[in-house]
Amino acid sequence: GDSVTQMEGPVTLSEEAFLTINCTYTATGYPSLFWYVQYPGEGLQLLLKATKADDKGSNKGFEATYRKETTSFHLEKGSVQVSDSAVYFCALSAPMDSNYQLIWGAGTKLIIKP
Amino acid sequence: GAVVSQHPSRVICKSGTSVKIECRSLDFQATTMFWYRQFPKQSLMLMATSNEGSKATYEQGVEKDKFLINHASLTLSTLTVTSAHPEDSSFYICSARGGAGGNQPQHFGDGTRLSIL
Repeated sequence: GDSVTQMEGPVTLSEEAFLTINCTYTATGYPSLFWYVQYPGEGLQLLLKATKADDKGSNKGFEATYRKETTSFHLEKGSVQVSDSAVYFCALSAPMDSNYQLIWGAGTKLIIKP
Repeated sequence: GAVVSQHPSRVICKSGTSVKIECRSLDFQATTMFWYRQFPKQSLMLMATSNEGSKATYEQGVEKDKFLINHASLTLSTLTVTSAHPEDSSFYICSARGGAGGNQPQHFGDGTRLSIL
């Protein structure tokens, strides 16, 4: 079945460091891909999305490119801030599901130290 | 942007009480709403999917008589945890999606922290 695999956390970086959180997927068909962020004690917020191969989603300095050849959607940011500390979830929208439910990665906790 | 309001944000109640959680899409019509449960330090577990005017579709292992879902309008869905027990304590999150198609993102409420004593 469809699945999403994220790198395990926590990921701990210093402020202004470069961030990469790996995400790979398996899916039948052509899924849409999403990154969501969950700040402590809060619900999830959509961070960015890409709906077809080679699309690049971007928001708040974060970027991710839909790579069909490597079935990946890695999240990157050039210079992280303390306020980026959160849990990041990669997800795909199951193309064969009539409700297009999301298939979730396990989440990666990001800790940014000043 | 699309806003989903979830209420209440926190509930503490005695065992045996029924608890209702509301999920509203404030500035868009939600054709589909989803209810999730999240355990500490874990990812989201989909409980059920509901389409307006239809019965909810529950995931395997989720008791539909325990977790009653009503999606009465395009802007409101409710989850009622009936006769709640301590093992039902969790973080419940709803999401809503406007329009059909997999490229439409889900928009999430801020979650409800349910604690059963």
